[in-house]
Amino acid sequence: SQKIEQNSEALNIQEGKTATLTCNYTNYSPAYLQWYRQDPGRGPVFLLLIRENEKEKRKERLKVTFDTTLKQSLFHITASQPADSATYLCALEKDSNYQLIWGAGTKLIIKP
Amino acid sequence: DTGVSQDPRHKITKRGQNVTFRCDPISEHNRLYWYRQTLGQGPEFLTYFQNEAQLEKSRLLSDRFSAERPKGSFSTLEIQRTEQGDSAMYLCASSPLAGGNEQYFGPGTRLTVT
Repeated sequence: SQKIEQNSEALNIQEGKTATLTCNYTNYSPAYLQWYRQDPGRGPVFLLLIRENEKEKRKERLKVTFDTTLKQSLFHITASQPADSATYLCALEKDSNYQLIWGAGTKLIIKP
Repeated sequence: DTGVSQDPRHKITKRGQNVTFRCDPISEHNRLYWYRQTLGQGPEFLTYFQNEAQLEKSRLLSDRFSAERPKGSFSTLEIQRTEQGDSAMYLCASSPLAGGNEQYFGPGTRLTVT
């Protein structure tokens, strides 16, 4: 069955360092992958989309890589700040029908 | 504010009662999605509309759940005969027809069934 895995343990990072989150998937050949941020009690907020033919995408302090051979995406936040503390979710399109399948998310904690 | 809005934000109901939630998507977005999310999990797909047509419905969705988008604008999600297991955050999202299906979420409706 199709499956997306994100590290369920919280990631603690010192302010100013680079945070790296991982999204692994099986039994998919997605055309693209998306990353979202979610704060407690709120809906997810879209951050970045990367297509299967793109190796890397950047937006300000954010960088996403997409390795279709390894079936993995990495999400990096450089020069991390306490305000970056949140849960980060990855999502893939299922079967090209616009339905997204979501990982459970990784909680990121940036310590001052 | 031109984002996605949901109403109510919180709903407490007794088991067996019916509840209805409303979602107003971003006005120019053709696609509308309903999700359910429980603590520590990602959003779980419930159903999807393109304009007024309901194109996809999760097999996990029992007959107690129904959704409508009558004029291709706002949508409602109704849960009949609520059960304690229905307690969750219900999220609505919309996306434009073009692009890579990036979705814009509302604040959610938190349902508690007692």
